[in-house]
Amino acid sequence: AQTIHQWPVAEIKAVGSPLSLGCTIKGKSSPNLYWYWQATGGTLQQLFYSITVGQVESVVQLNLSASRPKDDQFILSTEKLLLSHSGFYLCAWSLVGYEQYFGPGTRLTVL
Amino acid sequence: GDQVEQSPSALSLHEGTGSALRCNFTTTMRAVQWFRKNSRGSLINLFYLASGTKENGRLKSAFDSKERYSTLHIRDAQLEDSGTYFCAAEAGNNNAGAKLTFGGGTRLTVRP
Repeated sequence: AQTIHQWPVAEIKAVGSPLSLGCTIKGKSSPNLYWYWQATGGTLQQLFYSITVGQVESVVQLNLSASRPKDDQFILSTEKLLLSHSGFYLCAWSLVGYEQYFGPGTRLTVL
Repeated sequence: GDQVEQSPSALSLHEGTGSALRCNFTTTMRAVQWFRKNSRGSLINLFYLASGTKENGRLKSAFDSKERYSTLHIRDAQLEDSGTYFCAAEAGNNNAGAKLTFGGGTRLTVRP
């Protein structure tokens, strides 16, 4: 069975500090991977997707970056957090042409 | 860009009754997914449709790509069905990195 794990569960960070959020998928080879973000009261929107190791496409510009260092790992990061980065971050996976499955999420508060 | 309009934004049902949620799309979509938000805020998959209808227990979903809409029907609503439901549609132009565009959600409250 496939499992998707996100870390940390929640994070409180200061404006201007760096951030790294992680996501791992077990039980699926070469999945498509995605990062989504939802601001408080906002709509969930896709930030990045990756179809293979080392390749990441940006969908929305939010002064964030993403990397896929391994087949089963997707990292979201920034060197300087903004207040507007607060929200709920979800990682998802899919096979090409099939439905997406979401991880448990990371709640980020930037103060 | 692609937009997904979900309605109603809030719905109150008495136990045992039913209703429908609807998502309209501004462009032709390849597929639609329906989710329910869990207590932590993540998403539980309910349905994935590229066409037609699917049914699972008291839930039934339909997707009409040509008419640009999808529905989620709930029948015989139970208290535990309360929660927030989302539709998300996938545009038909990029299978490799599918972008899901989400609706704004429907907050369902089932009352005794």
